[in-house]
Amino acid sequence: GAGVSQSPSNKVTEKGKDVELRCDPISGHTALYWYRQSLGQGLEFLIYFQGNSAPDKSGLPSDRFSAERTGGSVSTLTIQRTQQEDSAVYLCASSLGLVSSYNEQFFGPGTRLTVL
Amino acid sequence: AQSVTQLDSQVPVFEEAPVELRCNYSSPVSVYLFWYVQYPNQGLQLLLKYLSGSTLVKGINGFEAEFNKSQTSFHLRKPSVHISDTAEYFCAVSKYNFNKFYFGSGTKLNVKP
Repeated sequence: GAGVSQSPSNKVTEKGKDVELRCDPISGHTALYWYRQSLGQGLEFLIYFQGNSAPDKSGLPSDRFSAERTGGSVSTLTIQRTQQEDSAVYLCASSLGLVSSYNEQFFGPGTRLTVL
Repeated sequence: AQSVTQLDSQVPVFEEAPVELRCNYSSPVSVYLFWYVQYPNQGLQLLLKYLSGSTLVKGINGFEAEFNKSQTSFHLRKPSVHISDTAEYFCAVSKYNFNKFYFGSGTKLNVKP
């Protein structure tokens, strides 16, 4: 596709359930980033991938959060045993390589997660 | 860890008036600076960035920002705003390796006719 896509666009779940959020980056983009935007707050960096590798997972809020990327393309962010504080908009971005003078981050529309 | 402060959560301004959106960051060492804009119901778009060179950076839609290392600031300015500039603006900082980005909490610019 022409841009970064994310699915679902909205997800409502019950506390304690697991959820999977999907990100399809722009074709050919090797770097992929996940962010979380809670109500009234800025974007919180979660994790980035260079290819299929995630060198730094320290931004993930807890061990209930995990992410993977296969084939250097699609990425899935999984939240286990969801809590109400996980409610937020989860944004994905991709770039041709790591962001530099030439490489820009392109953002997807986000997935709005609501945990009841 | 780096932190980014956008002191103004909302900025109301009349059309054709000048505007400045403030951004301060915590650590002056080897950072790169960005402004992103999010129009209603749209995703984030890059407005401008400072990586090196001239401290005055020009971006899209007539916006510019000035990197001030001594004040650890990167304020966004536009001499004359339009209704179409109504959006939320985010300042972001990344360290030299671009592996992590730190975003401010955003400033909602509301341009009134």
